[in-house]
Amino acid sequence: EVQLVESGGGLVQPGGSLKLSCAASGFIFSDSVINWVRQASGKGLEWVGHIREKGNTYATEYVASVKGRFIVSRDDSKNTVFLQMNSLKTEDTAIYYCGIAVAAMEGYFFNSWGQGTLVTVSS
Amino acid sequence: SYVLTQPPSVSVAPGQTARITCGENNIGVKSVHWYQQKPGQAPVLVISDDNDRPSGIPERFSGSNSGNTATLIINRVEGGDEADYYCQVWDSDGDHPVFGGGTKLTVL
Repeated sequence: EVQLVESGGGLVQPGGSLKLSCAASGFIFSDSVINWVRQASGKGLEWVGHIREKGNTYATEYVASVKGRFIVSRDDSKNTVFLQMNSLKTEDTAIYYCGIAVAAMEGYFFNSWGQGTLVTVSS
Repeated sequence: SYVLTQPPSVSVAPGQTARITCGENNIGVKSVHWYQQKPGQAPVLVISDDNDRPSGIPERFSGSNSGNTATLIINRVEGGDEADYYCQVWDSDGDHPVFGGGTKLTVL
C-alpha cells in the first residue's frame, strides 16, 4: 500500500525557518517525482515545488512565490523528501501536502497524497 | 502561464448529473486531471488524462475536454459526492502543474 506521511509542521514567527519531511513507503521511491502542494484555510490547491528522480539529476522547480526561500531535497536511502522553508511569511500559512507524480500524456498528475501537515506563520 | 477557471459552486439534486467546468484558452490540447477533496481530507484523483478513471473510482465519474473547456461529469449524483473538485493541467513552459481554483459541489 502506498503511504506518504508528512511531519514537521508547527507555529513559526515571520522570518523564521521550518523543515518539513515526507516519509514514503509502498512504491519505488527512488524512481518517483515528489511534489509539495499547499492549501491555505478555505482556499484552493497551490503547487509549491517538486524534485525529480536521480535519472533526471534530482532537478527541482518552485512556484515563483517561494523561489529563493524554499528548498526541496530528498534522501532516497530513507525514502524521504524534505521541504526547507526559510524567510517565512504570513502568507505561507497553509496545510502542506506531499504527493507522488505519475507520468501523464503531458507532464504528470498526482495519484497519491499524504494527510498534510499544518504550517502557521504568525507572531 | 495557465489560469484555469472553475465556477466557485455547482448545485445538483441527488440522482441528477453534475457538470463541473474548467476553462482556459485551447485547453482541449492539454491533458486535464481532476481531484476530489472532502473537508479535512487530502485530495483524491478521480479522473486523469481527460477521461481515465483510476481503480476504485465509480463509473459515474467521467470527463471530457474540447476547445476551451474541460468538464468533469458526475452521473446519478449521491450525497457522498459533495466535495470540492479541482482541475489540473501541465504548464510545459514552466515545467510544473497548475490547478484550477476549485468548485464546491453541493448536493441539494
